[in-house]
Amino acid sequence: DTGVSQNPRHKITKRGQNVTFRCDPISEHNRLYWYRQTLGQGPEFLTYFQNEAQLEKSRLLSDRFSAERPKGSFSTLEIQRTEQGDSAMYLCASSLGGVGEKLFFGSGTQLSVL
Amino acid sequence: GENVEQHPSTLSVQEGDSAVIKCTYSDSASNYFPWYKQELGKGPQLIIDIRSNVGEKKDQRIAVTLNKTAKHFSLHITETQPEDSAVYFCAALITDSWGKLQFGAGTQVVVTP
Repeated sequence: DTGVSQNPRHKITKRGQNVTFRCDPISEHNRLYWYRQTLGQGPEFLTYFQNEAQLEKSRLLSDRFSAERPKGSFSTLEIQRTEQGDSAMYLCASSLGGVGEKLFFGSGTQLSVL
Repeated sequence: GENVEQHPSTLSVQEGDSAVIKCTYSDSASNYFPWYKQELGKGPQLIIDIRSNVGEKKDQRIAVTLNKTAKHFSLHITETQPEDSAVYFCAALITDSWGKLQFGAGTQVVVTP
């Protein structure tokens, strides 16, 4: 499978715990994006990387959220001190780059904070 | 910033009929408009896209039209089949962004046999 891979698929945690998600983009793609999707809504942009550089972060991304892409390949998204409002589907996407490029999404990580 | 509105929120069609979903956008400088299909428990799948220098694009039973003057674009699915049942999202590329998309709220399409 050469698509975008995300792990885990589901995560249940207690409020206050830290969680980390992983994304493996399509191998030749140099751009990587994180989006968040809540029930009944479209995905909302969180942050993106050009290779290993994090170039933009949404105001939705509080200081409890941190994302990395250390070698320009896979990426991790960590949420510290989780809150119930963090419950959502976290989607990763990748693209080749360029103007109007196509974004390809993974299947997401469904986070439930109890 | 860019705002994308999508209608209807739900759409029920008989198998074989056509389905049309409409979206409007606010930033006249937007130049790229993809459509995604999302099935339950899966991530959004790109099904078709259109750029602002084109008025219409077709791929088998799916077509997208773009009216730049009115700032709206539509997805047309002909000869619908049960496997077309899913949530469909329109999106617009945010101007001067690095491929950042603004999504509509989605349309739940149900195709009944």
